[in-house]
Amino acid sequence: EPEVTQTPSHQVTQMGQEVILRCVPISNHLYFYWYRQILGQKVEFLVSFYNNEISEKSEIFDDQFSVERPDGSNFTLKIRSTKLEDSAMYFCASRGGAQETQYFGPGTRLLVL
Amino acid sequence: AQKVTQAQTEISVVEKEDVTLDCVYETRDTTYYLFWYKQPPSGELVFLIRRNSFDEQNEISGRYSWNFQKSTSSFNFTITASQVVDSAVYFCALHSSNTGKLIFGQGTTLQVKP
Repeated sequence: EPEVTQTPSHQVTQMGQEVILRCVPISNHLYFYWYRQILGQKVEFLVSFYNNEISEKSEIFDDQFSVERPDGSNFTLKIRSTKLEDSAMYFCASRGGAQETQYFGPGTRLLVL
Repeated sequence: AQKVTQAQTEISVVEKEDVTLDCVYETRDTTYYLFWYKQPPSGELVFLIRRNSFDEQNEISGRYSWNFQKSTSSFNFTITASQVVDSAVYFCALHSSNTGKLIFGQGTTLQVKP
């Protein structure tokens, strides 16, 4: 069964460093998302991506964040200069059509020291 | 504004008990979807069910059942004869057909004790 994959599963970084989180969505899906979940809290929407551009972003998704689909299969989230409060689980999700279910990857646990 | 409320923060039951997780939502969209996801201790988000706003038929799948009532904006989830493996955080989510994003509730932590 097709699934969304994410790498790395865990990442530890120093404050101020850049990180890139990688996702491979399900191959025939058209809509891509990043969400984050701070430990013990709810899952929060960061950004949606369709047709090679951002379709919506939340207040959390400021200038330090960017997304890219560099090669038609990967979908990346870059945090330019990490802060302590960026420590969270980051989930990638994808869905096929406008009405379809979003399927989530296993997440990348980011710890900023 | 769109919002999902899961008023129950934590529920603890003994194995084989039935348990219902509550979800109330707010939206002005006429077309929308509701979801339940399960997050086991390992952390991944597992899709359980999707319901669209036009379909109020309740559904049963094995030990799981869902009660969607548009009149009260509720989408409750019941586990019958709970098992220890059901222990997880359960999230209700609202999908807006306009924006595509999922809006999650705070989650309900279910602990099933042997």
